[in-house]
This record gives sequence, C-alpha cells and structure tokens, in this order.
Amino acid sequence: GAVVSQHPSWVICKSGTSVKIECRSLDFQATTMFWYRQFPKQSLMLMATSNEGSKATYEQGVEKDKFLINHASLTLSTLTVTSAHPEDSSFYICSARESGLTGELFFGEGSRLTVL
Amino acid sequence: AQSVTQLGSHVSVSEGALVLLRCNYSSSVPPYLFWYVQYPNQGLQLLLKYTSAATLVKGINGFEAEFKKSETSFHLTKPSAHMSDAAEYFCAVSVGQAGTALIFGKGTTLSVSS
Repeated sequence: GAVVSQHPSWVICKSGTSVKIECRSLDFQATTMFWYRQFPKQSLMLMATSNEGSKATYEQGVEKDKFLINHASLTLSTLTVTSAHPEDSSFYICSARESGLTGELFFGEGSRLTVL
Repeated sequence: AQSVTQLGSHVSVSEGALVLLRCNYSSSVPPYLFWYVQYPNQGLQLLLKYTSAATLVKGINGFEAEFKKSETSFHLTKPSAHMSDAAEYFCAVSVGQAGTALIFGKGTTLSVSS
C-alpha cells in the first residue's frame, strides 16, 4: 500500500525554539494532506488541511501563527511549531490522500514532540 | 457535521473470546466509515472501511464490521481475540469527497487477558 513517512519520529527541544516536522508521500502524489494532534490516551484532533500550492485551512481553535503549515510540492507537507512551549508537547500525525481516490487516507507513523 | 461516538473507552476480553467494539455515527449525507488500530507510539493502521458497497465489511487480522443505517452503527467485531489484538481502536467518518479529512472517535482501548 501507499506509504507516508514522517520525520523526525521523535524530537526534544527547548522552550522557545521552533521545530519542523516533515510529512512525505513516498510512492504517490498527494494534493491534500492533513495534520492531526494526539494527546496521551486521547483521540486524534484535526488541526489543519494542507493543500498543495495554497494556504492551509485551520480548524477552529488552532493558532495559525503557532503551527505553520507549508505544502510546497505534491509529496511534501511541513508543520513548524514556532516558539514551542511545554504545552505543545504532543504526538503529531499527518495523513495524505492520493489524488483521485476517495475515502481512504494513508497515515504517517507520527512524530512525538517533547518541549522542555 | 459528521461525527462518531465510540461507546466504552476500555474493553477487556479473554483470549479466544468475542471482541465487540461499538461505534455510532452521525452524518447528514451517506458516510464513509473506517476502523483504525494504533499500537503504542505508532501511527494508525487501517483495519477496514465502508464506502457504500457491501454492508458487511471484512478487514485485516480477522476483523469485520457491519454498517447498519437504521441504527447508525458500524460496530467492529472479531470472533476470537488474540493477545496481539490489544491496542487502541479508532472509528472514523468522512463524507468521502476528495480533500475531506477523517473525523475520529475518542478511541477504545482493547485489553486481552490470557
């Protein structure tokens, strides 16, 4: 099946720094990618929808300036957590929908961010 | 707006027993429904999906789910639990249009005892 890769899988950073997480579709083109956030023992919450070549659409309550999303190519979307604080510590998961398919999304392995 | 409700945040079964994880959906249009499994510190793996074809859907690892429109349900079952089935299970819904995200339920933790 299709593969979506996230990097890094685990990152620890100091408070105040910025962290970039990459989401790549390895064997298909994805015009749309989604970013989710998952707190411990909780469900996935949709943060934003990323469309190639245009601005991301953020869900209500998600700070656009805190979570910068860029989808510059059909195989890569990035999430940058700016000026990270401990409350930003979480598991971030991306998913990608192959162009032309309906229904199924392919998920990355997730990236765990710990802010000290 | 569409949503899913998973009944029971934690289900415990014995090895070899029936597994039943409940999911009810709410959608104003015909939904696409999914079950995913997540192991600790890992991403999501698709178990099965309903996309308006057969109402009884068979997935991987012996799991299956039945779409019941009259009950707005999409419960996940497995006849005989294995220790390796212990994980977090998520039900999700979308309206199927290209570019539409999945909306997830809160998840159900399945524990399997020997």
